[in-house]
Amino acid sequence: EAAVTQSPRNKVAVTGGKVTLSCNQTNNHNNMYWYRQDTGHGLRLIHYSYGAGSTEKGDIPDGYKASRPSQENFSLILELATPSQTSVYFCASGDAGGSTEVFFGKGTRLTVV
Amino acid sequence: GEKVEQHESTLSVREGDSAVINCTYTDTASSYFPWYKQEAGKSLHFVIDIRSNVDRKQSQRLIVLLDKKAKRFSLHITATQPEDSAIYFCAASSDSNYQLIWGSGTKLIIKP
Repeated sequence: EAAVTQSPRNKVAVTGGKVTLSCNQTNNHNNMYWYRQDTGHGLRLIHYSYGAGSTEKGDIPDGYKASRPSQENFSLILELATPSQTSVYFCASGDAGGSTEVFFGKGTRLTVV
Repeated sequence: GEKVEQHESTLSVREGDSAVINCTYTDTASSYFPWYKQEAGKSLHFVIDIRSNVDRKQSQRLIVLLDKKAKRFSLHITATQPEDSAIYFCAASSDSNYQLIWGSGTKLIIKP
């Protein structure tokens, strides 16, 4: 069973603070993704990666950084968190090529106060 | 760039009836069209997909239709059950751009 694990599952952060969201996959997938989900916007791609050491900007990268130190791990970093980054964040993994099933983690609910 | 639109933000059907969720896309090169389901408070999981070399695919009560000329694809859920209540997302990708482009989601409500 494909597995994508996100931590933490819930996080309250203060404005201006640093937040790191972690994601681990045991699928041996090359591609990993970070999305945020907001009501009325569906899923929006923040950053993605094709493999260890690679990070690419998605559709809404401003205010976020990503790190892919290994095949299994992909982190999303908010250096200076703002209330507008309050959202639910999903990590996902998939085989290279994009035309195959993508597996999602359970999500992280981030509240920036 | 590619855009995927889901036209119904909410759809309500009576239990046992069929539900149809429609999506359109803009990139004629799109060749892969998956559907994902998100139950309340949970993550997304894959339900069915279709590729551009066919125009119909069925998996049990789920049918996906693809109209390449109209750049439209749809998810049909027959004999709906309460557990079909969820948000359904469509997406599209092409062989040249591997990134999935997502629709905004349709909340399906199954009424007793």
